[in-house]
Amino acid sequence: KQEVTQIPAALSVPEGENLVLNCSFTDSAIYNLQWFRQDPGKGLTSLLLIQSSQREQTSGRLNASLDKSSGRSTLYIAASQPGDSATYLCAVSSRTGNQFYFGTGTSLTVIP
Amino acid sequence: NAGVTQTPKFQVLKTGQSMTLQCAQDMNHEYMSWYRQDPGMGLRLIHYSVGAGITDQGEVPNGYNVSRSTTEDFPLRLLSAAPSQTSVYFCATQRTRAETQYFGPGTRLLVL
Repeated sequence: KQEVTQIPAALSVPEGENLVLNCSFTDSAIYNLQWFRQDPGKGLTSLLLIQSSQREQTSGRLNASLDKSSGRSTLYIAASQPGDSATYLCAVSSRTGNQFYFGTGTSLTVIP
Repeated sequence: NAGVTQTPKFQVLKTGQSMTLQCAQDMNHEYMSWYRQDPGMGLRLIHYSVGAGITDQGEVPNGYNVSRSTTEDFPLRLLSAAPSQTSVYFCATQRTRAETQYFGPGTRLLVL
């Protein structure tokens, strides 16, 4: 069974700092990997999707990398802002792409 | 274009009662999934569908039934509610398995 781990569970940084969130998974036979953001009491918003054949994806201040062989992904946030405060979730899909397995998330607080 | 809608937003049930959580989408996506989110556990897949008439079990299917008679709707049925089913339930859709998942706003369920 796929296990997804996110470290750290919580992170607090001053505004403007660059930061890295980590995601590791136990089975490298994945179809793709997705990073989400969740605000308190809300649903999930997709940030970046990386196919298994890709190494990274970028969107604005966000960059996600994937090293399938080592079972790791990172989400890099540049020049953090208070509006980035949220929980960030990593999800990896099964080999067939039909099922997703989620980590428990990293709760990020950006201090003005 | 409403995206993914879920009803109700909040529900209280007594042990043994049955109910149906509704999920509807207007994006003509083939893939639909139901997740539950519990503190410290992350999101876990309950059931999923890869198209009308096709459903399959996820990680935690016991106590839940689904059917998919149309592309738009994917209801989740609790046959006999138990306190262990107290959770926040999310519905998600994808156009294809290689694309982004879109989440609904969630249904918060309390079983007494």
